[in-house]
Amino acid sequence: AQSVAQPEDQVNVAEGNPLTVKCTYSVSGNPYLFWYVQYPNRGLQFLLKYITGDNLVKGSYGFEAEFNKSQTSFHLKKPSALVSDSALYFCAVRASRGGGKLIFGQGTELSVKP
Amino acid sequence: DAGVIQSPRHEVTEMGQEVTLRCKPISGHNSLFWYRQTMMRGLELLIYFNNNVPIDDSGMPEDRFSAKMPNASFSTLKIQPSEPRDSAVYFCASSLKELAQDSDTQYFGPGTRLTVL
Repeated sequence: AQSVAQPEDQVNVAEGNPLTVKCTYSVSGNPYLFWYVQYPNRGLQFLLKYITGDNLVKGSYGFEAEFNKSQTSFHLKKPSALVSDSALYFCAVRASRGGGKLIFGQGTELSVKP
Repeated sequence: DAGVIQSPRHEVTEMGQEVTLRCKPISGHNSLFWYRQTMMRGLELLIYFNNNVPIDDSGMPEDRFSAKMPNASFSTLKIQPSEPRDSAVYFCASSLKELAQDSDTQYFGPGTRLTVL
């Protein structure tokens, strides 16, 4: 069965510091991995995805994520956090074979303080 | 592109009433997903369609919930009768599933916040 774990409910970072939001996954076969961001009272916005190829994926708003197959992880990173990055972040996975069903993590609340 | 459109944005109703949520996917997309988000259970997939055909409805909570997609540009999620525990934010998402590249990205609508009193 597919699953996603985001071990931290909340991450606090000072503006200008690097940030990491963690995600580990379990899936049969090769994974397709996604990060979404949700601002208050808004829908989820796509940030980036890993399908194949380079393990470092670059996405919107300066975010990037690194796929690590041996650790089954797909952590989201940004070199310098902005207060406007404060939001709820979701990691999601689906198997490369099979239907379009995405499995989402529980979400991590990122708070960036000035 | 207008993105995924959902209506209404907010719905307040009384227990026992019928509720219909509507979704217009992004033009050209051929997969549509209905999700429910609550604090307790997070984001749950209720049902998804591919080319207007329901593919997986295993997440639909019970018979009170039903979803239809009569054409490529419209879908409804109906709850009848509604109960207070159905209170949640319901999201619709769409994607373009291409045979050659099965890595379709889902794009979400703004959601409908449902409150059942």
